[in-house]
This record gives sequence, C-alpha cells and structure tokens, in this order.
Amino acid sequence: ELKVEQNPLFLSMQEGKNYTIYCNYSTTSDRLYWYRQDPGKSLESLFVLLSNGAVKQEGRLMASLDTKARLSTLHITAAVHDLSATYFCAVDVPQGAQKLVFGQGTRLTINP
Amino acid sequence: KAGVTQTPRYLIKTRGQQVTLSCSPISGHRSVSWYQQTPGQGLQFLFEYFSETQRNKGNFPGRFSGRQFSNSRSEMNVSTLELGDSALYLCASSLALLSEAFFGQGTRLTVV
Repeated sequence: ELKVEQNPLFLSMQEGKNYTIYCNYSTTSDRLYWYRQDPGKSLESLFVLLSNGAVKQEGRLMASLDTKARLSTLHITAAVHDLSATYFCAVDVPQGAQKLVFGQGTRLTINP
Repeated sequence: KAGVTQTPRYLIKTRGQQVTLSCSPISGHRSVSWYQQTPGQGLQFLFEYFSETQRNKGNFPGRFSGRQFSNSRSEMNVSTLELGDSALYLCASSLALLSEAFFGQGTRLTVV
C-alpha cells in the first residue's frame, strides 16, 4: 500500500527566510503533485512533477522530484505572509485509475 | 472556463439520514474522483468514475456510494449518516485517466 509522508507537519517561520518541506512516498509512482489549501477552502494545484529530476518553479516556490529516492521537496524562498497555508503532496497510485494518496499536509505559518 | 462545481456548499444533517452531493466537472473532463477530508484522517480517496464506470474505490463502508452520468456529472450518496461522516467532501475532475486533477470548492457536511 502506498504511503506518503510529509515533514514537518507544522512550520512557523519569519518572513524573508527560506525553508523546505519534504515529501517521501513508499512505492513507485507515475507522478507527484503539490497542492495548497487555505483554511476552509479547496485544494489549489501548484505543481505536477512527472519525471526523475523534474524541477518546477513559480514565484517563491520551487518543487523537485527524485524518483530514485522517492522524495519530493517544496522549497520556499524569502517567505512572505501570503504563503501561509497548508501544503499537501500527493502521489498517483499506479493502478490505471485516478487515485491520489495524500500526505498529512504541512501547515505553514509565516510571521511578519 | 468554468471550474469544478460542487453543490451544495454546506449541509447539516441528522444522524441516520442520508445525503446526496453533486459534482459537475470541468467541461470535457471525463474522470471524476471524490475525497473525504477530516482533521483526524486527512484526505482520503473515496472513489473514481470514468465514462460512467466506477474504476476504483477507497476503503470506505458500503454506506458510501456514487455514480456518474453520461454528461460526466457525478453524485455521491451517504446513507445512514454517522457523526464521523462530518467532513469536507471534495470532488476532482480530470481530462482522462492519470491526467492532472482539479478540485472543486467542496461540500462541508456536518452530521448532528
């Protein structure tokens, strides 16, 4: 059974600092997703990573994928308050159906 | 173009009742999947439909069921509601199998 683990689960940081969220998964998968969720809201797609070594960047967020290590990272550069949210990684189960297994989520709080 | 639309947005039901939630996918998308989000269990896969066929089902009791119509709209039904069914129910649509999933705003169900 595919398991996805994120760490840390809670992260409080100062504006302007850099930090990384880690996402480990237990079995081979076709793709990995990062989502953002604001309180009471739905999931907003941030990145889709499809292959080993994939790196994608959008603003202050950069995601990477190492399929050999079964590890993805979400790096935050020079954090700003607007990035406060919960971040989820999710992995596709390779069973020919659309089924995502999510990590526990990382609640990120950025303090001014 | 319009996103994934879920109705209703909020519901309050009594234990023992049943409930039906609706999801209209993005136009042209044929795959619809459902997820339950609770503080304790996180995001869990319920089921996935493609071309009116259920292709995968998560580890939920038979009280949880769903269907997809020929226009790709989907409904999920929960019978004999329990307090533990209180959750945010999220629907996601994708163009085809294994393509990126886009989430709706969710239906927040409260069982009292």
